[in-house]
Amino acid sequence: GAGVSQSPRYKVAKRGQDVALRCDPISGHVSLFWYQQALGQGPEFLTYFQNEAQLDKSGLPSDRFFAERPEGSVSTLKIQRTQQEDSAVYLCASRFQDNSPLHFGNGTRLTVT
Amino acid sequence: TQLLEQSPQFLSIQEGENLTVYCNSSSVFSSLQWYRQEPGEGPVLLVTVVTGGEVKKLKRLTFQFGDARKDSSLHITAAQPGDTGLYLCAGRSSNTGKLIFGQGTTLQVKP
Repeated sequence: GAGVSQSPRYKVAKRGQDVALRCDPISGHVSLFWYQQALGQGPEFLTYFQNEAQLDKSGLPSDRFFAERPEGSVSTLKIQRTQQEDSAVYLCASRFQDNSPLHFGNGTRLTVT
Repeated sequence: TQLLEQSPQFLSIQEGENLTVYCNSSSVFSSLQWYRQEPGEGPVLLVTVVTGGEVKKLKRLTFQFGDARKDSSLHITAAQPGDTGLYLCAGRSSNTGKLIFGQGTTLQVKP
């Protein structure tokens, strides 16, 4: 595809369930980022990959959050035992190289009930 | 920790008015970007400023990077309803390359 694709678009989970959010970056883009965004706020950094290497995971809020990019393209953000405070939009972004523009997907809106 | 403070957080103005949004930090960034985000979509890049003191213009939008590369401003002239959205500044960390966002400025332009 032409842009960054995220699925599902919307996800409703009951508290305690595990969820998996998928990101398909633009083909050939080396770097991939995950952000968490609350309504009306700026995106908060979660984690960052360069190819398959996770270079920075300092923004992951707890050990319930796990991200992977095993083949250096598609990435999955997994949240275990979801809590209500996990409700947010999860944005994925990719870029070709270090100084290239960041391209965002439209996000996955997660609601934990 | 590198932080970016945006002000104001909310701005509601009439069509035709001018406005300025500020983005400030105590940290130096190798570059700073401005994004615009509409509901249900991801942020879209407007501009990247790299050099201290740099000024870039995009139609009615003027972006400035501070001389010390710690702050930036976005000025919109004669705002239009189509300018409504969430404006975000983002600084690129010199050390790690990751992009850190400000809290955002929600702009509403009334016709």
